[in-house]
Amino acid sequence: AQSVTQLDSHVSVSEGTPVLLRCNYSSSYSPSLFWYVQHPNKGLQLLLKYTSAATLVKGINGFEAEFKKSETSFHLTKPSAHMSDAAEYFCVVSDRDSWGKFQFGAGTQVVVTP
Amino acid sequence: DTGVSQDPRHKITKRGQNVTFRCDPISEHNRLYWYRQTLGQGPEFLTYFQNEAQLEKSRLLSDRFSAERPKGSFSTLEIQRTEQGDSAMYLCASSSGTGGSFYNSPLHFGNGTRLTVT
Repeated sequence: AQSVTQLDSHVSVSEGTPVLLRCNYSSSYSPSLFWYVQHPNKGLQLLLKYTSAATLVKGINGFEAEFKKSETSFHLTKPSAHMSDAAEYFCVVSDRDSWGKFQFGAGTQVVVTP
Repeated sequence: DTGVSQDPRHKITKRGQNVTFRCDPISEHNRLYWYRQTLGQGPEFLTYFQNEAQLEKSRLLSDRFSAERPKGSFSTLEIQRTEQGDSAMYLCASSSGTGGSFYNSPLHFGNGTRLTVT
């Protein structure tokens, strides 16, 4: 069975400072992991994905995430937050055992202050 | 790639009424998913199709819910005898996963249909 835990429900950062969103997963098989962003009244947009290639994955808008198997983590980072990064972020896991069902975390709400 | 489109964007209905939502996936995508999202929660899996075949339904999907994907193109999600607890955002997504790659092909989401049951 697969599951995903986002360790922070809310994160507040100042514009220009680093962002860290934490995600831990559980999977019986080698997982695929994704981060999605959801702006208010918008659909979910893919930020990046890990599918067993390089462990450091670069995504859109300056975000990146590192897959750490030993820690079962897939944390999302950005060196310098922008006001437009204010949104909800979801960590997602999928694996062969899940028959294509993608399991979402509860989400992390990011607030960016000037 | 025109993206995934969902109709309507918003639906307000009275308790006990039936509602139907439509999803048009990205044209070359063979997998189509329905998720439900309530305020402050992550999307929850409801059901998915591979072409026209409905492969799995979540236990969240009571007998009042039914989904179809005729001819493997668009899909509809119908809720009969709506209840206030059905109020949520209903999200549709599609992906191009084939063979053993279905679990690492990312989902492409529509903007959702927000249902309010009064």
